Parts: sequence; structure tokens; C-alpha cells
Amino acid sequence: GENVEQHPSTLSVQEGDSAVIKCTYSDSASNYFPWYKQELGKGPQLIIDIRSNVGEKKDQRIAVTLNKTAKHFSLHITETQPEDSAVYFCAASTYSSASKIIFGSGTRLSIRP
Amino acid sequence: IAGITQAPTSQILAAGRRMTLRCTQDMRHNAMYWYRQDLGLGLRLIHYSNTAGTTGKGEVPDGYSVSRANTDDFPLTLASAVPSQTSVYFCASSEGTSQNEQFFGPGTRLTVL
Repeated sequence: GENVEQHPSTLSVQEGDSAVIKCTYSDSASNYFPWYKQELGKGPQLIIDIRSNVGEKKDQRIAVTLNKTAKHFSLHITETQPEDSAVYFCAASTYSSASKIIFGSGTRLSIRP
Repeated sequence: IAGITQAPTSQILAAGRRMTLRCTQDMRHNAMYWYRQDLGLGLRLIHYSNTAGTTGKGEVPDGYSVSRANTDDFPLTLASAVPSQTSVYFCASSEGTSQNEQFFGPGTRLTVL
């Protein structure tokens, strides 16, 4: 089955700098890759997603890139702000098993003032 | 609009007791999910339901059961709780399959002693 690995597990960056979180997946049939943000004491919330027919997607300060050949996708946050501090999860899903989505183990991002 | 609600917020339970975690959504979503979140392991799917009347097993279904009698409710039952089921449990829903945005509830923190 699908396996998603996420790195790093913790990340601390200076406010205003960029943050990058990386994930790899094992199932070449995976075609949907969402990223969720979880603030303290809350449930995860979708921040951006990408499907396998595109290589990059941007939404203001957030971007996601996908390399299907390497089975690798990344989240990029530019001009980080204190409110970006949270736990971020990547995930992968295949169309054939669309009821199941496999999450990475999470990255705790801290923004230093 | 409440979105998705879970009850209770937290619970301490003696091993061997039966426990039902409640989940209700008012978005008329077809699909619903139960995850457990453990430190360093991310979110792991326990059970899911694509539509009322159907359920399926996720990554870690043992020791848990679910039912989906109607669109709005998706309770999770632990028939005989064990300490390894100590976790934070999240319910989620999506309009279609897991390849659409999932909306998460606030979570239930369960401690089994």
C-alpha cells in the first residue's frame, strides 16, 4: 500500500524567511496530494492541494511542487509570519482507492520573531 | 453553520469499557472518516463511509466499529477499550471521495487507563 514520508519533523525559521517541507510517496498510482495545517487544539484544515496533471500550484505565499518521476512533493511558504506556526501534514491518495488517504507524520513549524 | 461536531471533547475511560465517540456534520457530505492522531505518526484512517449505509476499513480498524445509518451521523465505537487506544480522534467529512477537501472536527481526546 501507499507510504508517505515527511521531513523534517520540526522546523524553525526566522520570521520573513521561507520554509520548505518535503514528502515522498511510494505508490506511483497516487494522483492527489493535499497539504493540511493543524493549529494547536484544532482539527487539520486544507491549505493547498495538487493533482498529478500539474507540477506546481501557488496560492499567495504558499506553493506546492510535484515531481512524479521522483515521487516527491514539497510545500513552500514564503515571507513567513507568526500565524504560520502550526503542524503541517502532507498526504497522498490514488483514484483507485479514493476512499483512503495516507498522511505523512507531520512537521511542526515554528516561526521565530 | 456548525460544520462538523464531535462529542465528547475529552474522556478518561477504564480499560475494558465500551465507548462511543459521536460525530455529526450538517454539510450533507456523502463521505465521512475517522482518524486517530498519535505523536510522530500523523493521522491514521480507522474507518470510512462513502455514503449512508456503507462503511469500509482503513489502516488501523482493529478494535473499532462504525455505523452510518444516515448522512449526518458517523459514530465510532470501541467495544472493549485498551490502553493502546489512547489517542486523539478526529472525524472528517468530504463532499465526494477523499480526493476532495476533507473537513475535520475539533477532535476527541481519549485516555484509556
